Amino acid sequence: DTGVSQNPRHKITKRGQNVTFRCDPISEHNRLYWYRQTLGQGPEFLTYFQNEAQLEKSRLLSDRFSAERPKGSFSTLEIQRTEQGDSAMYLCAGPGQGINGANVLTFGAGSRLTVL
Amino acid sequence: DAKTTQPNSMESNEEEPVHLPCNHSTISGTDYIHWYRQLPSQGPEYVIHGLTSNVNNRMASLAIAEDRKSSTLILHRATLRDAAVYYCILRNNRGGTSYGKLTFGQGTILTVHP
Repeated sequence: DTGVSQNPRHKITKRGQNVTFRCDPISEHNRLYWYRQTLGQGPEFLTYFQNEAQLEKSRLLSDRFSAERPKGSFSTLEIQRTEQGDSAMYLCAGPGQGINGANVLTFGAGSRLTVL
Repeated sequence: DAKTTQPNSMESNEEEPVHLPCNHSTISGTDYIHWYRQLPSQGPEYVIHGLTSNVNNRMASLAIAEDRKSSTLILHRATLRDAAVYYCILRNNRGGTSYGKLTFGQGTILTVHP
């Protein structure tokens, strides 16, 4: 099973508050990805992990954003001092299999953040 | 990353075939053509991918032009459940490139009429 579970599905917060999203791959995989999707746009890559190590971070990931994957299984994405521009869908993805076993991504349903 | 161009939207009737075009004139020899779709309130899901030859799976077919500068995703019989945003993405297969770091465009919004 290559599913990905994300919580919470929806979060409404006031500007300046901190929020945390969690991603649980249903089965263990060495790689885990975070994306952000604003209204009307395609998803944008934020960061990815190989096991516990965060290997790459996009320039979109400001210093208010931090992602962790402490045991190489679940991951959290925290946004500190939220701003209205942080309102978006935050998507987590793990490895999946495409045609002929090719590496593709399996996305979760996302966590939608609304900052008032 | 090489860029793809897709129409903003397309419409189809249920049970009719749908051809979703994608232009990628700057594609390199190591770029694979991937298609994902995103149903309402869901994350994207993989549909199909290919390099040079046409490909078929249970969801769709992918027709790739001989010069690889364009491709077409074919849904043979559209259903209401196929209404989604369809993304055409080029994924480079060079060693060391993370396969999961994808560049999505705005995609094509497919509306399927009953």
